[in-house]
Amino acid sequence: QPVLTQPSSHSASSGASVRLTCMLSSGFSVGDFWIRWYQQKPGNPPRYLLYYHSDSNKGQGSGVPSRFSGSNDASANAGILRISGLQPEDEADYYCGTWHSNSKTQVFGGGTKLTVL
Amino acid sequence: QVQMVQSGAEVKTPGASVKISCKASGYTFTSYYIHWVRQAPGQGLEWMGVINPSGGKTYYAQKFQGRVTMTRDTSTSTVYMEMSSLRSEDTAVYYCARKQTNYFDYWGQGTLVTVSS
Repeated sequence: QPVLTQPSSHSASSGASVRLTCMLSSGFSVGDFWIRWYQQKPGNPPRYLLYYHSDSNKGQGSGVPSRFSGSNDASANAGILRISGLQPEDEADYYCGTWHSNSKTQVFGGGTKLTVL
Repeated sequence: QVQMVQSGAEVKTPGASVKISCKASGYTFTSYYIHWVRQAPGQGLEWMGVINPSGGKTYYAQKFQGRVTMTRDTSTSTVYMEMSSLRSEDTAVYYCARKQTNYFDYWGQGTLVTVSS
């Protein structure tokens, strides 16, 4: 089954844009997967943000601002979560996840702790 | 409105079993798969398995095969997750989550299970 790898932490200034990565393990192609992104703040369950498979197959969670967007980086074999116009309330843990239909397994990345300076 | 309400915190000794409930409301119970995800203190999300409330079919992460059992009661719209042979490493917050077509849209509030002698 695939493994999703995320950097453990990332920091950026308020108002800046960030690009959080979710790298898919060797032997799997990011173009074959639907990558979902979740935001988690301390003491709360994760909150769904969006999913991305392709420019024609993507979706935004209800109430999620458009400054959160998804894409793929084929060269890095990674899913990308872009957050523009960072706000203090964006400080949280961000997890990517995907369903591997062959093994009937849900996989999560290890999560990235985003700090807004 | 959709709600997933979990049972309360549990404290167990090593070797014991625990059974957590997740009561769904506000939608047709049998129309959506329900997954279980756990999160150890300070750690990331770990998928445990899924149950189809309609027929009761389950899929478990390989790590939990033989130690976890997921069941459902359609009369009360409740799913259960039972884990046996508990060890200290099983100390975590356990979440149930409803699976929308492409993502987990509603999560329970989480149930803290503490395993300690």
